[in-house]
Amino acid sequence: GAGVSQTPSNKVTEKGKYVELRCDPISGHTALYWYRQSLGQGPEFLIYFQGTGAADDSGLPNDRFFAVRPEGSVSTLKIQRTERGDSAVYLCASSLTGENQPQHFGDGTRLSIL
Amino acid sequence: GQQVMQIPQYQHVQEGEDFTTYCNSSTTLSNIQWYKQRPGGHPVFLIQLVKSGEVKKQKRLTFQFGEAKKNSSLHITATQTTDVGTYFCAGPWAGSYQLTFGKGTKLSVIP
Repeated sequence: GAGVSQTPSNKVTEKGKYVELRCDPISGHTALYWYRQSLGQGPEFLIYFQGTGAADDSGLPNDRFFAVRPEGSVSTLKIQRTERGDSAVYLCASSLTGENQPQHFGDGTRLSIL
Repeated sequence: GQQVMQIPQYQHVQEGEDFTTYCNSSTTLSNIQWYKQRPGGHPVFLIQLVKSGEVKKQKRLTFQFGEAKKNSSLHITATQTTDVGTYFCAGPWAGSYQLTFGKGTKLSVIP
């Protein structure tokens, strides 16, 4: 596609539920990143994929968060037992190779935990 | 851990005035990237600086990377209403691909 696509654009769910957020990167981009952005803050790094593997998952806040990229293209961020503090905009970005490359962001998924 | 600080947090300017935002990292960066986020939008890549002391210009925007590769600035000459948004600096420390973003400077331009 022309840009990074994220679905859904909005997700509202109850505390304790499981959610999946999807990211479709720019075609041909091997690097994929997930960030979380709270109001008035900059994007906070969560995880970085190079191809199918998670090259750096040091930003995942705890074991309720998990992400996969099984075929090296689309990625899914999974959050178990959601908490109100998980509410934020989840941004996905991709870059051509990952090494000192500009990152192209999607529009994000606004996650609200009631 | 690595921290990236940006000042000011907010800036209100009259259209036509100049604007500068400053970025400081607690550790040496391998490069610095600048992004712009319009209200309700997502961050959009503006530029990347790699070399110590590097200066790059994009029309009315001038970007600098400090000699020690720990600080950077973005200067906009003669602001326009289209410059409205939040400007973020971000950089990876040496050996990492992980971008650490500052909190951003939110620019408002009064017509």
